[in-house]
Amino acid sequence: RKEVEQDPGPFNVPEGATVAFNCTYSNSASQSFFWYRQDCRKEPKLLMSVYSSGNEDGRFTAQLNRASQYISLLIRDSKLSDSATYLCVVSDYSMNTGFQKLVFGTGTRLLVSP
Amino acid sequence: GAVVSQHPSRVICKSGTSVKIECRSLDFQATTMFWYRQFPKKSLMLMATSNEGSKATYEQGVEKDKFLINHASLTLSTLTVTSAHPEDSSFYICSARVQDKPGWRTGNTIYFGEGSWLTVV
Repeated sequence: RKEVEQDPGPFNVPEGATVAFNCTYSNSASQSFFWYRQDCRKEPKLLMSVYSSGNEDGRFTAQLNRASQYISLLIRDSKLSDSATYLCVVSDYSMNTGFQKLVFGTGTRLLVSP
Repeated sequence: GAVVSQHPSRVICKSGTSVKIECRSLDFQATTMFWYRQFPKKSLMLMATSNEGSKATYEQGVEKDKFLINHASLTLSTLTVTSAHPEDSSFYICSARVQDKPGWRTGNTIYFGEGSWLTVV
């Protein structure tokens, strides 16, 4: 089982639509959770952290369910510029290195069309 | 602007040669740097973690003699792919971690470089 699993998509939505992405993680000891955005052939960029209480940043809402090991991202009023791959990321303790490390999902691709 | 600079952004090399990729933190001291590799349509996979002045720690399955990492200063880490082969062709990306402050969450203090596309022919 992959450490972080996401539906690869693509999700094709029209401008203005609301779209939701889900993610599950396997390590119940994971400590921190994030959504990153990665544009084609570019580096990932932090979109937002995810907290158990749920958090919102403008049109983006993230939720975490620790019991189900499930993370979600909701995008409202989609814009053309939201087209990208959204990476679900968890921070785990690496037994190998002794450091916290980020573990990335394969990403969910979003295509917003006019 | 970028706070972590990676160079070169693209490189093509012949099979059997070595390629060096640099990762620099531009306006902060990076106590820890991470090197990732991403194959097409795959997730970023951590290759190794390096701390300034000490040997890098490699993830399981990553050959340390093939992927040489040097973190000689608080602003520079290098990855050298030795004796490159076509299967090493990939997107290599570094990230640098700012010294954590109490209460900060790990991901918020990690900045990624722009990545380097390596093609081995």
